[in-house]
Amino acid sequence: DAGVIQSPRHEVTEMGQEVTLRCKPISGHNSLFWYRQTMMRGLELLIYFNNNVPIDDSGMPEDRFSAKMPNASFSTLKIQPSEPRDSAVYFCASNRRGTGAYNEQFFGPGTRLTVL
Amino acid sequence: AQSVTQLGSHVSVSEGALVLLRCNYSSSVPPYLFWYVQYPNQGLQLLLKYTTGATLVKGINGFEAEFKKSETSFHLTKPSAHMSDAAEYFCAVSDRGNQFYFGTGTSLTVIP
Repeated sequence: DAGVIQSPRHEVTEMGQEVTLRCKPISGHNSLFWYRQTMMRGLELLIYFNNNVPIDDSGMPEDRFSAKMPNASFSTLKIQPSEPRDSAVYFCASNRRGTGAYNEQFFGPGTRLTVL
Repeated sequence: AQSVTQLGSHVSVSEGALVLLRCNYSSSVPPYLFWYVQYPNQGLQLLLKYTTGATLVKGINGFEAEFKKSETSFHLTKPSAHMSDAAEYFCAVSDRGNQFYFGTGTSLTVIP
């Protein structure tokens, strides 16, 4: 079984550049979550989708951040323009929400973003 | 509202000693409870979960946790620590909807 797939695994960019992080959830899962992890703030939920529709984006820090889920098998998190304080590990997770599903989340390996 | 408190951001134990990582939760509904482990440079992996039924839950790698409603706790234990247990551990609570609330994590160091 392929787990949650994220790309790239590492991204180094310069301040002001656009960054796009990608996620492929587990097949059959209907919810997708984007998290950010830093030493200072720990694990933060940025946004989550249910059936490709954004449900809660209250964790998105600023308008520079945007996320899309055009179909059930793909999501992107975009930062434009990027800033050094965006440096973090970004995780994507997915689960199956529905009757009988205990909503355990499955995490991808993360994308380590460094903004210089 | 749901929340999780993990007491102790850093825990050190000797190899072979008991591991005890504490988690207390707050939930307005009967919760689902989870422990995840994160090894360096990796994503989070599920160790174990409590949903319904037996309150003592066994997970992978010899870990177990007990749901104590009266104490609103879900502490993680392992009888004998192994060097490979060194990692970050996260407790999480779900309100049975789709929101997870993670604790701030506990870093476990195992001393040889």
